[in-house]
Amino acid sequence: AQSVTQLGSHVSVSEGALVLLRCNYSSSVPPYLFWYVQYPNQGLQLLLKYTSAATLVKGINGFEAEFKKSETSFHLTKPSAHMSDAAEYFCAVSANTGGFKTIFGAGTRLFVKA
Amino acid sequence: EPEVTQTPSHQVTQMGQEVILRCVPISNHLYFYWYRQILGQKVEFLVSFYNNEISEKSEIFDDQFSVERPDGSNFTLKIRSTKLEDSAMYFCASSAGGPGFFGPGTRLTVL
Repeated sequence: AQSVTQLGSHVSVSEGALVLLRCNYSSSVPPYLFWYVQYPNQGLQLLLKYTSAATLVKGINGFEAEFKKSETSFHLTKPSAHMSDAAEYFCAVSANTGGFKTIFGAGTRLFVKA
Repeated sequence: EPEVTQTPSHQVTQMGQEVILRCVPISNHLYFYWYRQILGQKVEFLVSFYNNEISEKSEIFDDQFSVERPDGSNFTLKIRSTKLEDSAMYFCASSAGGPGFFGPGTRLTVL
């Protein structure tokens, strides 16, 4: 079975500061990993995904994430936060043994201060 | 780029009524999923569907829920007798055998 843990339900950064959202996963087989962003009252937007190619994955809006198997982590980063980055971020895992259903973390709400 | 679509985007219903949420998966996909997100909470897996039958369901997916692929293009989620706690965003997803692609969701409000 797969699972995802997001460390920190809320993260607050200043505009222009580094964004770091933490995600650790558990999977008995090689996983697919995802980060989604959700703005209030909207759907899920895929930011980036890891599918066993390069361990450093670049996504939209300047975000990137690094797959570290030894740490079972897939942390999301962005060098410089914008006010428009304020949203809820979900880390997710999917794998063949789970029939490729997607398991989501609890989410991290990112606040960006001016 | 092909997308999963869902209708309606918003649905308001009275408690005890039946609702059907509709999804059009990506055309060559064979695996279909429904997920639920209660306001302010995480996205939860409900059910997966393959080869015209349920392949897995969560404990949330009880007898009030059913899924169907009625015509080879649509994939529906029926909630037989809605309860207040069914108010949530419902996401459909489809895949060709890997991780799913998500639709935009249907927001269901039960009054």
